[in-house]
Parts: sequence; structure tokens; C-alpha cells
Amino acid sequence: NAGVTQTPKFRVLKTGQSMTLLCAQDMNHEYMYWYRQDPGMGLRLIHYSVGEGTTAKGEVPDGYNVSRLKKQNFLLGLESAAPSQTSVYFCASTNFQGSGQAFFGQGTRLTVV
Amino acid sequence: QQQVKQSPQSLIVQKGGIPIINCAYENTAFDYFPWYQQFPGKGPALLIAIRPDVSEKKEGRFTISFNKSAKQFSLHIMDSQPGDSATYFCAASEETSGSRLTFGEGTQLTVNP
Repeated sequence: NAGVTQTPKFRVLKTGQSMTLLCAQDMNHEYMYWYRQDPGMGLRLIHYSVGEGTTAKGEVPDGYNVSRLKKQNFLLGLESAAPSQTSVYFCASTNFQGSGQAFFGQGTRLTVV
Repeated sequence: QQQVKQSPQSLIVQKGGIPIINCAYENTAFDYFPWYQQFPGKGPALLIAIRPDVSEKKEGRFTISFNKSAKQFSLHIMDSQPGDSATYFCAASEETSGSRLTFGEGTQLTVNP
């Protein structure tokens, strides 16, 4: 049971380039999330999804887009990367409506130069 | 606006000591308060969680104390060990928000042998 898997683990982008981060979960969870982690700021929610075909904005959505075409996958896209998007990105999922344990992936370290 | 504030930013204790990490929240609609533990290069993992209808919860060496009137909660680690050295995040969520977690800034704990 792999849990939550993120691809890739590391990436370096040039300013203006685009990329997609893939999150896959094998726990049949309804809810999925993308967070970014920056030093001294904890984890901040970018976008989330409460089911296949649904997405919603979180706390820091600007510059990102997401899609949830399949229940097990949640994609995070950067259309035109900026140095301010240098961060560690975490995907998470949970299977309880309301408050329940969230399972996190191992993270993607993205550097935009 | 940081809805969950965490302190201290870093903490160093000797083996066997009792580190205490504090969090304060603003949103009275929060109804779930988990603590996550994160080791370098890994994603956060749920450590222990509490709901506002109880004032204390213990799981092994970890205890959450919750003060609803003060809108504060804290994590105590009894008989701390070097293996407890990690970054700890408090978080909060509300049932109507799709289990979106709002995180504190994080505390880097070092337990010296």
C-alpha cells in the first residue's frame, strides 16, 4: 500500500516555464489537497478537492491551477513559474468528511531560477 | 492572516525533558485540532489529535492540553528522546470546510542525548 505518492521529488525550473506535479493516492480517499511549505510559515493550502471533478481555492491559489479528473489523482500546474513559487509542495488526502486524519506524500522540492 | 499561531519557533531540551509547544487559534468554528510530526525530507504525519469537547488527550508519551475559552492548545512530550527530534506542527480544521487544515508556523525540536 503506497499511500500518497508525489511525482517528481525534485525539480528545477527557469522563470516562465510550466510544469505539472502529480499526486496519486491508493486509499480511495474523497478529499485531496495541495499545500506549500515555506520556512517559518508552516504549510499553506493552495487548492483542494472534495471529490472527482471538483476543485476549490485555498489560502494561496494565485499562479496555480489544479485538476481532479480521476478520484485517485490530483494534479497541480504552474503555467508560468516565478521565483516566489520556490517551495516544497505536499499533497495530502483524507477519507472523512469533516475532521479526519490527513495522509501526506513525501513532498516535491521545486526551485525556480 | 495567520489563524493558528505557534510558539516557540525552536526548542532544545535534554533527553528525558518535557518540551511544551503552544498554539493559539482565532476561528471559533474550528472543531478538530491535530498535531503533525515531520522528519527532514518527509511529509508530515499525524501524531495526535483532539476535539474541543475534551480538555486533555494522551497517547503514549504525547499529551494534548486544550483550553477552549482561551482558544489555546498545547503539546507535551513526556520523557523526550533523541528520536523525537523533528518539526512539529499544530493545525486546526472545521467540519464544514472540507477538512481543510490551517497550520501553525512549526516548531523545530531538538532533543540532545
